[in-house]
Amino acid sequence: GAGVSQTPSNKVTEKGKYVELRCDPISGHTALYWYRQSLGQGPEFLIYFQGTGAADDSGLPNDRFFAVRPEGSVSTLKIQRTERGDSAVYLCASSPSRQGEQYFGPGTRLTVT
Amino acid sequence: GNSVTQMEGPVTLSEEAFLTINCTYTATGYPSLFWYVQYPGEGLQLLLKATKADDKGSNKGFEATYRKETTSFHLEKGSVQVSDSAVYFCALSDGNTNAGKSTFGDGTTLTVKP
Repeated sequence: GAGVSQTPSNKVTEKGKYVELRCDPISGHTALYWYRQSLGQGPEFLIYFQGTGAADDSGLPNDRFFAVRPEGSVSTLKIQRTERGDSAVYLCASSPSRQGEQYFGPGTRLTVT
Repeated sequence: GNSVTQMEGPVTLSEEAFLTINCTYTATGYPSLFWYVQYPGEGLQLLLKATKADDKGSNKGFEATYRKETTSFHLEKGSVQVSDSAVYFCALSDGNTNAGKSTFGDGTTLTVKP
């Protein structure tokens, strides 16, 4: 079956602009995670959804970052007033349950110039 | 908070050599432990896991044993192949309190030469 997909695969934006990154999880997976991976580092947790609600957003770095999952499937990570330090690969993962195996998407590479 | 420390790379081995990548962790509760692999140009994928102390995870010739007494989960393979060249990430998930979110190490790049 289809895996986790993320769009766009690459996004280049200017400092100060707004961006949206989309994640399509595996059908039927109730848990969805966003991570951020900087060069040479492991993924860093941002936010976790169980169904439609954000069960844990403790990893969001500041209030410029926000994520939604209105129908419990597709999720969008939104970044306002982007900064050069936001440049990274943003990874999405989904899981059939909160303790199940996480399946990762290919990521969106965000570059803020 | 939770943390994972893994062996710094890069690691370069000849084909058929023995591989060990060290991983130690700090966690509250009873974490599950994972090794993920990222092949060139591909996304992260789960390689193996162990959910409780003394469990051994294995897959594709790789093994790792959950050692609670040493808080370690070292990855081993007896005979590596060129196709094993990838970045390997150790991770933990504290499902009891943190809803399964994972904490990752910084990755170890493995290059296997023919």
